[in-house]
Amino acid sequence: DVKVTQSSRYLVKRTGEKVFLECVQDMDHENMFWYRQDPGLGLRLIYFSYDVKMKEKGDIPEGYSVSREKKERFSLILESASTNQTSMYLCASSLGTVEAFFGQGTRLTVV
Amino acid sequence: GEDVEQSLFLSVREGDSSVINCTYTDSSSTYLYWYKQEPGAGLQLLTYIFSNMDMKQDQRLTVLLNKKDKHLSLRIADTQTGDSAIYFCAEIMFSGGYNKLIFGAGTRLAVHP
Repeated sequence: DVKVTQSSRYLVKRTGEKVFLECVQDMDHENMFWYRQDPGLGLRLIYFSYDVKMKEKGDIPEGYSVSREKKERFSLILESASTNQTSMYLCASSLGTVEAFFGQGTRLTVV
Repeated sequence: GEDVEQSLFLSVREGDSSVINCTYTDSSSTYLYWYKQEPGAGLQLLTYIFSNMDMKQDQRLTVLLNKKDKHLSLRIADTQTGDSAIYFCAEIMFSGGYNKLIFGAGTRLAVHP
């Protein structure tokens, strides 16, 4: 079974802190994605990556950056956390276009 | 623009059929998906349909695709309490040289006795 693991289920951070959300997949997938999920808005794509050291902006990249130094790991970075970044963050990976596999999510609260 | 629309809430009685509807924008989408999110969990692919199909059936699930109207629906027969979840419609959109998976806002299905 494909496994996508996000390092934390719940995080509480202070405004202005630098925050790292880690995601690891074990199926050698080329593609990895970071989404945020907010009620009534569904999933919005923040960043994605189709290869190591490669990144592309999604629909809402402002305030975020990413890192993909190894194929299995895709990190989302909040350079200076703000309260409007309080959300559920979901990581996904895929090999092609048929199915994306999701992690269990990280619920981040910025106070 | 990139927009996948679905109603936010559906309530059904246990044993009835549920129908969740979705409209999408990209007529060139090759795949359309239904994902399920149970409370406290990530998303899980429920089913998908190729754009050259009108219907796909998988046990209690039936997916109908109307390409002309860009309308996708998911029918769950004999709905059970375990079907209570958020259901997301999604399409593959080719944009900026890449395939992106675009999601709707999700329909929360509540099943009551």
